[in-house]
Amino acid sequence: GAVVSQHPSWVICKSGTSVKIECRSLDFQATTMFWYRQFPKQSLMLMATSNEGSKATYEQGVEKDKFLINHASLTLSTLTVTSAHPEDSSFYICSALSLRDGHQYFGAGTRLSVL
Amino acid sequence: ELKVEQNPLFLSMQEGKNYTIYCNYSTTSDRLYWYRQDPGKSLESLFVLLSNGAVKQEGRLMASLDTKARLSTLHITAAVHDLSATYFCAVDAGNQFYFGTGTSLTVIP
Repeated sequence: GAVVSQHPSWVICKSGTSVKIECRSLDFQATTMFWYRQFPKQSLMLMATSNEGSKATYEQGVEKDKFLINHASLTLSTLTVTSAHPEDSSFYICSALSLRDGHQYFGAGTRLSVL
Repeated sequence: ELKVEQNPLFLSMQEGKNYTIYCNYSTTSDRLYWYRQDPGKSLESLFVLLSNGAVKQEGRLMASLDTKARLSTLHITAAVHDLSATYFCAVDAGNQFYFGTGTSLTVIP
């Protein structure tokens, strides 16, 4: 089956530091990956669409300079939360769009806590 | 702006009872997904509905899709405690997913 590995699963950091989250498709290629954010007891909110070899497309209201996305290969996208603040604390989930079957496969999520 | 609304938002029901969760969306789409999320976990894929009239069943859950009405349903039959979770529908609109508001289900013994 299609597996998406997301790392780390939980990170606690100090305010002002940067945190990088990785999203890897392990057994398939994905030219497109998505980054979502989820607050407690709320739905998933699409933050950005990550395209291999080009700039990410950000949803309205998402700061591209704060949430840096890099999609350097067909199997890896990274999200860097720069100068993190407590309000950035959330659950971040990535997904990868399989070229093979056109379905999205989700990572296990990363819980970010900013102190 | 595409809207995906689920109803109800919260649901508490006794074991053995039946109930239906509704997912309405505001744009044309032939691909609709249902997911389950347990607390602190990511999404588990339940159903993929790819055409009008599609019906899929797995255990006590059955999902259907009416693209003309822009409506999908998730029917729960004879609920058991293990079904307690949050259920999301998601509409695929041009390879972008738009998630519903979620339905938090608690099944009481």
